[in-house]
Amino acid sequence: EAGVAQSPRYKIIEKRQSVAFWCNPISGHATLYWYQQILGQGPKLLIQFQNNGVVDDSQLPKDRFSAERLKGVDSTLKIQPAKLEDSAVYLCASSVWTLQETQYFGPGTRLLVL
Amino acid sequence: AQSVTQLDSQVPVFEEAPVELRCNYSSSVSVYLFWYVQYPNQGLQLLLKYLSGSTLVKGINGFEAEFNKSQTSFHLRKPSVHISDTAEYFCAVERSGSARQLTFGSGTQLTVLP
Repeated sequence: EAGVAQSPRYKIIEKRQSVAFWCNPISGHATLYWYQQILGQGPKLLIQFQNNGVVDDSQLPKDRFSAERLKGVDSTLKIQPAKLEDSAVYLCASSVWTLQETQYFGPGTRLLVL
Repeated sequence: AQSVTQLDSQVPVFEEAPVELRCNYSSSVSVYLFWYVQYPNQGLQLLLKYLSGSTLVKGINGFEAEFNKSQTSFHLRKPSVHISDTAEYFCAVERSGSARQLTFGSGTQLTVLP
Protein backbone atom coordinates (compact mmCIF):
# COMPACT_ATOMS: atom_id res chain seq x y z
CA GLU A 1 0.00 0.00 0.00
CA ALA A 2 1.41 3.36 -1.00
CA GLY A 3 1.87 5.87 1.81
CA VAL A 4 1.08 9.55 2.03
CA ALA A 5 2.98 11.44 -0.66
CA GLN A 6 4.18 15.02 -0.29
CA SER A 7 6.07 17.39 -2.54
CA PRO A 8 8.36 19.16 -2.65
CA ARG A 9 10.53 17.69 0.10
CA TYR A 10 12.49 20.90 0.58
CA LYS A 11 11.85 24.54 -0.27
CA ILE A 12 13.83 27.71 0.36
CA ILE A 13 12.17 31.07 -0.29
CA GLU A 14 12.59 34.67 0.74
CA LYS A 15 10.16 36.40 3.04
CA ARG A 16 7.10 37.86 1.36
CA GLN A 17 7.26 35.24 -1.41
CA SER A 18 4.53 32.64 -1.85
CA VAL A 19 4.87 28.87 -1.68
CA ALA A 20 2.62 25.84 -2.15
CA PHE A 21 2.82 22.31 -0.85
CA TRP A 22 1.05 19.27 -2.25
CA CYS A 23 -0.22 16.15 -0.51
CA ASN A 24 -1.71 12.93 -1.87
CA PRO A 25 -3.23 10.81 0.91
CA ILE A 26 -3.53 7.05 1.10
CA SER A 27 -6.19 5.79 -1.27
CA GLY A 28 -9.58 5.57 0.40
CA HIS A 29 -8.71 7.84 3.31
CA ALA A 30 -11.46 10.40 3.68
CA THR A 31 -9.73 12.53 6.31
CA LEU A 32 -6.70 14.66 5.57
CA TYR A 33 -4.69 16.79 7.98
CA TRP A 34 -2.01 19.46 7.60
CA TYR A 35 0.36 19.97 10.53
CA GLN A 36 3.10 22.52 11.12
CA GLN A 37 6.16 21.28 13.01
CA ILE A 38 8.53 24.01 14.14
CA LEU A 39 12.04 22.91 15.09
CA GLY A 40 12.08 21.53 18.64
CA GLN A 41 8.30 21.27 18.89
CA GLY A 42 5.65 18.68 18.26
CA PRO A 43 3.37 18.92 15.23
CA LYS A 44 0.51 21.41 15.49
CA LEU A 45 -2.68 20.85 13.54
CA LEU A 46 -3.39 23.58 10.99
CA ILE A 47 -6.42 22.22 9.16
CA GLN A 48 -8.47 19.05 8.90
CA PHE A 49 -10.57 17.97 5.92
CA GLN A 50 -13.28 15.36 5.73
CA ASN A 51 -13.57 14.53 2.02
CA ASN A 52 -13.53 18.01 0.46
CA GLY A 53 -15.05 19.84 3.43
CA VAL A 54 -13.21 21.60 6.26
CA VAL A 55 -13.74 20.05 9.70
CA ASP A 56 -11.47 22.41 11.64
CA ASP A 57 -9.24 25.29 10.58
CA SER A 58 -9.21 27.15 13.88
CA GLN A 59 -5.39 27.19 14.07
CA LEU A 60 -4.76 28.16 10.46
CA PRO A 61 -3.44 31.75 10.10
CA LYS A 62 -6.00 32.64 7.50
CA ASP A 63 -4.46 36.01 6.65
CA ARG A 64 -1.60 34.21 4.92
CA PHE A 65 -2.35 30.47 4.83
CA SER A 66 -4.93 28.74 2.67
CA ALA A 67 -5.68 25.11 1.90
CA GLU A 68 -7.97 23.25 -0.41
CA ARG A 69 -8.99 19.71 -1.22
CA LEU A 70 -11.18 20.21 -4.23
CA LYS A 71 -12.01 16.65 -5.27
CA GLY A 72 -11.72 15.05 -1.86
CA VAL A 73 -8.40 13.41 -2.69
CA ASP A 74 -5.17 15.40 -2.88
CA SER A 75 -4.69 18.73 -1.16
CA THR A 76 -2.66 21.91 -1.49
CA LEU A 77 -1.47 24.17 1.32
CA LYS A 78 -0.37 27.69 0.35
CA ILE A 79 1.43 30.46 2.20
CA GLN A 80 1.26 33.99 0.80
CA PRO A 81 3.19 36.02 1.81
CA ALA A 82 5.65 33.96 3.83
CA LYS A 83 7.23 35.20 7.05
CA LEU A 84 10.44 34.12 8.73
CA GLU A 85 8.45 32.35 11.46
CA ASP A 86 6.83 30.09 8.87
CA SER A 87 10.10 28.15 8.63
CA ALA A 88 9.05 24.65 9.66
CA VAL A 89 8.26 21.17 8.42
CA TYR A 90 4.76 20.86 7.00
CA LEU A 91 3.35 17.39 7.52
CA CYS A 92 0.36 15.89 5.80
CA ALA A 93 -1.50 12.95 7.33
CA SER A 94 -4.54 10.92 6.39
CA SER A 95 -6.88 8.46 8.05
CA VAL A 96 -10.06 6.53 7.57
CA TRP A 97 -12.99 8.39 9.08
CA THR A 98 -13.85 5.95 11.83
CA LEU A 99 -13.03 6.02 15.48
CA GLN A 100 -9.77 4.51 16.64
CA GLU A 101 -8.17 4.56 13.19
CA THR A 102 -4.54 5.60 12.94
CA GLN A 103 -3.31 8.74 11.24
CA TYR A 104 -0.61 8.00 8.66
CA PHE A 105 1.97 10.71 8.03
CA GLY A 106 3.85 11.73 4.92
CA PRO A 107 7.59 12.58 4.94
CA GLY A 108 6.90 16.30 5.18
CA THR A 109 8.04 19.41 3.34
CA ARG A 110 10.86 21.32 5.00
CA LEU A 111 10.42 25.06 4.42
CA LEU A 112 13.11 27.65 5.09
CA VAL A 113 12.14 31.31 4.81
CA LEU A 114 15.09 33.69 4.52
CA ALA B 1 -8.72 21.11 25.82
CA GLN B 2 -6.02 18.48 26.09
CA SER B 3 -2.32 18.99 26.68
CA VAL B 4 0.69 16.70 26.67
CA THR B 5 3.93 17.09 28.59
CA GLN B 6 7.02 15.14 27.70
CA LEU B 7 9.24 15.60 30.69
CA ASP B 8 12.58 14.97 29.02
CA SER B 9 13.66 16.74 25.86
CA GLN B 10 16.75 14.58 25.44
CA VAL B 11 17.53 11.08 26.70
CA PRO B 12 20.98 9.59 26.03
CA VAL B 13 21.35 5.89 26.77
CA PHE B 14 23.90 3.20 26.03
CA GLU B 15 23.12 0.39 23.62
CA GLU B 16 21.40 -2.63 25.20
CA ALA B 17 20.36 -0.59 28.25
CA PRO B 18 16.68 -0.12 29.16
CA VAL B 19 14.95 3.19 28.53
CA GLU B 20 11.81 4.97 29.66
CA LEU B 21 10.43 8.05 27.95
CA ARG B 22 7.93 9.90 30.09
CA CYS B 23 4.62 11.38 29.02
CA ASN B 24 1.92 13.03 31.08
CA TYR B 25 -1.34 14.37 29.77
CA SER B 26 -4.10 16.63 30.91
CA SER B 27 -7.72 16.24 29.86
CA SER B 28 -11.12 16.61 31.43
CA VAL B 29 -12.57 13.83 29.28
CA SER B 30 -11.53 10.36 28.17
CA VAL B 31 -8.66 10.24 25.72
CA TYR B 32 -6.88 7.90 23.40
CA LEU B 33 -3.09 7.88 23.73
CA PHE B 34 -0.39 7.40 21.13
CA TRP B 35 3.36 7.22 20.74
CA TYR B 36 4.89 8.15 17.38
CA VAL B 37 8.53 7.93 16.29
CA GLN B 38 10.20 10.27 13.82
CA TYR B 39 13.49 9.29 12.21
CA PRO B 40 15.62 12.06 10.67
CA ASN B 41 14.03 13.64 7.61
CA GLN B 42 11.05 11.32 7.77
CA GLY B 43 7.41 11.60 8.76
CA LEU B 44 5.92 10.24 11.95
CA GLN B 45 5.34 6.51 12.34
CA LEU B 46 2.95 5.02 14.87
CA LEU B 47 4.67 2.95 17.57
CA LEU B 48 1.63 2.02 19.63
CA LYS B 49 -1.71 3.28 20.84
CA TYR B 50 -4.02 2.90 23.81
CA LEU B 51 -7.73 2.99 23.10
CA SER B 52 -9.26 0.88 25.88
CA GLY B 53 -8.82 -2.42 27.69
CA SER B 54 -5.48 -3.62 28.99
CA THR B 55 -3.37 -0.75 30.29
CA LEU B 56 -0.15 -2.35 29.02
CA VAL B 57 0.18 -1.81 25.30
CA LYS B 58 2.77 -3.47 23.12
CA GLY B 59 3.96 -1.84 19.93
CA ILE B 60 6.44 -2.28 17.15
CA ASN B 61 10.21 -2.62 17.53
CA GLY B 62 9.94 -4.04 21.06
CA PHE B 63 8.42 -0.92 22.63
CA GLU B 64 5.61 -0.97 25.16
CA ALA B 65 3.72 1.63 27.15
CA GLU B 66 1.56 1.61 30.24
CA PHE B 67 -1.52 3.76 30.70
CA ASN B 68 -1.92 5.01 34.26
CA LYS B 69 -5.19 6.85 34.64
CA SER B 70 -4.64 7.97 38.23
CA GLN B 71 -1.30 9.53 37.34
CA THR B 72 -2.44 10.62 33.87
CA SER B 73 0.69 9.10 32.40
CA PHE B 74 1.58 7.01 29.37
CA HIS B 75 5.29 6.24 29.65
CA LEU B 76 7.11 4.43 26.85
CA ARG B 77 9.59 1.68 27.67
CA LYS B 78 12.01 -0.66 25.95
CA PRO B 79 14.07 -3.23 27.89
CA SER B 80 17.09 -3.12 25.57
CA VAL B 81 17.70 -0.38 23.00
CA HIS B 82 19.63 -0.52 19.74
CA ILE B 83 21.54 2.13 17.85
CA SER B 84 18.70 2.12 15.31
CA ASP B 85 16.26 3.35 17.97
CA THR B 86 17.92 6.77 17.85
CA ALA B 87 15.06 9.10 16.85
CA GLU B 88 12.58 11.65 18.14
CA TYR B 89 9.61 10.24 20.02
CA PHE B 90 6.29 12.04 20.35
CA CYS B 91 3.47 11.33 22.73
CA ALA B 92 0.00 12.41 21.57
CA VAL B 93 -3.57 12.41 22.83
CA GLU B 94 -6.89 12.41 21.05
CA ARG B 95 -10.10 13.27 22.81
CA SER B 96 -12.30 10.18 22.53
CA GLY B 97 -15.36 10.79 20.41
CA SER B 98 -13.83 13.93 18.96
CA ALA B 99 -13.12 14.92 15.39
CA ARG B 100 -10.02 12.74 15.38
CA GLN B 101 -7.54 15.49 16.24
CA LEU B 102 -4.19 14.75 17.83
CA THR B 103 -2.43 17.00 20.33
CA PHE B 104 1.28 16.31 20.45
CA GLY B 105 3.92 16.77 23.10
CA SER B 106 7.14 18.60 22.31
CA GLY B 107 9.07 15.39 21.75
CA THR B 108 11.95 13.47 23.33
CA GLN B 109 15.16 12.93 21.40
CA LEU B 110 16.44 9.45 22.21
CA THR B 111 20.13 8.99 21.41
CA VAL B 112 21.53 5.49 21.74
CA LEU B 113 25.28 5.46 22.31
CA PRO B 114 27.59 2.57 21.37
